[in-house]
Amino acid sequence: EVQLLESGGGLVQPGGSLRLSCAASGFTFRSYAMSWVRQAPGKGLEWVSAISTSGGSTYYADSVKGRFTISRDKSKNTLYLQMNSLRAEDTAVYYCAKDLLVGAFDAFDIWGQGTMVTVSS
Amino acid sequence: EIVMTQSPATLSVSPGEGATLSCRASQSVSSNLAWYQQKPGQAPRLLIYGASTRATGVPARFSGSGSGTEFTLTISSLQSEDFAVYYCQQYNNWPLTFGGGTKVEIK
Repeated sequence: EVQLLESGGGLVQPGGSLRLSCAASGFTFRSYAMSWVRQAPGKGLEWVSAISTSGGSTYYADSVKGRFTISRDKSKNTLYLQMNSLRAEDTAVYYCAKDLLVGAFDAFDIWGQGTMVTVSS
Repeated sequence: EIVMTQSPATLSVSPGEGATLSCRASQSVSSNLAWYQQKPGQAPRLLIYGASTRATGVPARFSGSGSGTEFTLTISSLQSEDFAVYYCQQYNNWPLTFGGGTKVEIK
């Protein structure tokens, strides 16, 4: 079964850091681009960051550029999101998502269950 | 940044009726447009990609159309499980962007 399982969320103070992980299983992880998408409480979806199959290309929303870093570990089949200088507006459920087609950036066909990040003092 | 605008924000429909949801892009996204369904407490589910191709396992009552800047998701006969929030998303340009969503509720 194709599955994504996020972890690492929690409560953090403004200015703090957190690292999210997304463990992938059931598919050839190294062959697919991956993304992080977040959803603030009661709000819509916001794409956060994407990474290519090799990890050599990364993309970020302006709202997180310079503060968040996406990475992947092929040996562990795991996607990461390092989040620094966290702000209250970063409070959201964070989903990892798998791209539909091998090697391409496109629609997201598989989503994790999400992990909640709360930034508050 | 490409802005995706969905309308209406809320659509009240009786079970068995059809529904038409719209999504407009601020500039052309070609056919690089996806639709997702999200129910409360759940992750989004891919319904349509490439503007008109149904994802695996998606019932035929869901159909997508359009290209360029104007897109439509049509649900031909709403079932109880179809009442949810629907989002469009463009993947033609960085940053990737989602519409604000259309909530389909029971009339």
